[in-house]
Amino acid sequence: DIQMTQSPSSLSASVGDTVTITCRASRTVSRHLNWYQQKPGKAPDLLIYAASSLPSGVPSRFSGSGSGTDFTLTISSLQPEDCATYYCQQTFGDSITFGQGTRLEIK
Amino acid sequence: QVQLVQSGDEVKKPGASVRVSCKASGYTFTNNDIHWVRQAPGQGLQWMGKISGYNGDTIYAQKFQGRLSMTTDTSTTTAYMDLRSLRSDDTAVYYCARSSNWNYGHWGQGTLITVSS
Repeated sequence: DIQMTQSPSSLSASVGDTVTITCRASRTVSRHLNWYQQKPGKAPDLLIYAASSLPSGVPSRFSGSGSGTDFTLTISSLQPEDCATYYCQQTFGDSITFGQGTRLEIK
Repeated sequence: QVQLVQSGDEVKKPGASVRVSCKASGYTFTNNDIHWVRQAPGQGLQWMGKISGYNGDTIYAQKFQGRLSMTTDTSTTTAYMDLRSLRSDDTAVYYCARSSNWNYGHWGQGTLITVSS
């Protein structure tokens, strides 16, 4: 299986800040990389798909980049409602894996 | 609108089996795969496997081989996940999700399965 490693595992930032979360795959996943946001007690929500595409309804302060093995999720102009856990997911090939998650706290 | 509605929470004893259903609506069921993902308390997301809404073909994560079965009923647009020989570490919230273009834009609300003697 392809292993996905996210960093950091947690971070704390202030409203208005820009934060970056990284995700590294153990081998290439091309651009088959998605990001999800999960709030406590809720199912995850799709945030970014195909490494850099934004689904309809997701604020433009969220952006994704990367290809191959290295990917980033950037949240600019951080808002209080961005407090959540973020997961990357690779869907390259038949076996799908998630990163371990990054917990984002708003100071 | 696309909706996935899962069956209710359950408590099971070790060694028992559980079936979770996922009723799909708002789209053509046979056009998409349904994936199952679980999340143990305080832990991350774990992919379990997927089933084709078109022909019922399945792929399971190796970790669950031999204990996991996924089926669909196209007449009721419902997907099912059966997990056997339950252990305490199977305690988790189980989610179904619709796969479209290799991502999950729609998820069920989650079903908590508690395994306890």
